Amino acid sequence: GNSVTQMEGPVTLSEEAFLTINCTYTATGYPSLFWYVQYPGEGLQLLLKATKADDKGSNKGFEATYRKETTSFHLEKGSVQVSDSAVYFCALIKWGTGTASKLTFGTGTRLQVTL
Amino acid sequence: GAVVSQHPSWVICKSGTSVKIECRSLDFQATTMFWYRQFPKQSLMLMATSNEGSKATYEQGVEKDKFLINHASLTLSTLTVTSAHPEDSSFYICSARDWGSGSGRAFGSYEQYFGPGTRLTVT
Repeated sequence: GNSVTQMEGPVTLSEEAFLTINCTYTATGYPSLFWYVQYPGEGLQLLLKATKADDKGSNKGFEATYRKETTSFHLEKGSVQVSDSAVYFCALIKWGTGTASKLTFGTGTRLQVTL
Repeated sequence: GAVVSQHPSWVICKSGTSVKIECRSLDFQATTMFWYRQFPKQSLMLMATSNEGSKATYEQGVEKDKFLINHASLTLSTLTVTSAHPEDSSFYICSARDWGSGSGRAFGSYEQYFGPGTRLTVT
């Protein structure tokens, strides 16, 4: 079946440091890939997505590139801020018929950014 | 972007009672809604998929008689935890699928929006 593997956290960085959160996936065919962010006490928000190989999703300074050859979708940001502290979830969806498609989430990576 | 609301945001109930959680899509019609459960420091576990006007589809291991889901309209789904016990204490998150505007449903063009979650504590 489909699965998503994320690096374990927590990841602790100083403000303005470079961020990488690794994500690899297992799925047949060409799933769509997503990064969601969950701030403390809140639900998930879509951060970025990519729907085909070599697509780059980007938003709020975060980027991730859909790498079919390495089945990866690593999240990066050049300079993190304290406000980026949150839990980040990598996810995929493999399109089925009708509404059968369901998101598969990784376990989440907690990011803590300090001054 | 589209907004999904949940009510209540938190609830404390006594063991043996039932609790209802509402999930609403505020500015779009959601033919499909999802209910997730999230344990502390863990990922989201899909409990069930709810389609408007039909019975919910439950994931393996989820008791359908305990977690009653109703999706009576295109903007409202409810999750009722019946005869709650302390082990049901968790963070419940709903999500609604929006196929987007424009003609037809383009492959891969959907968006899935998440509610802010409901913290349930059973004492």
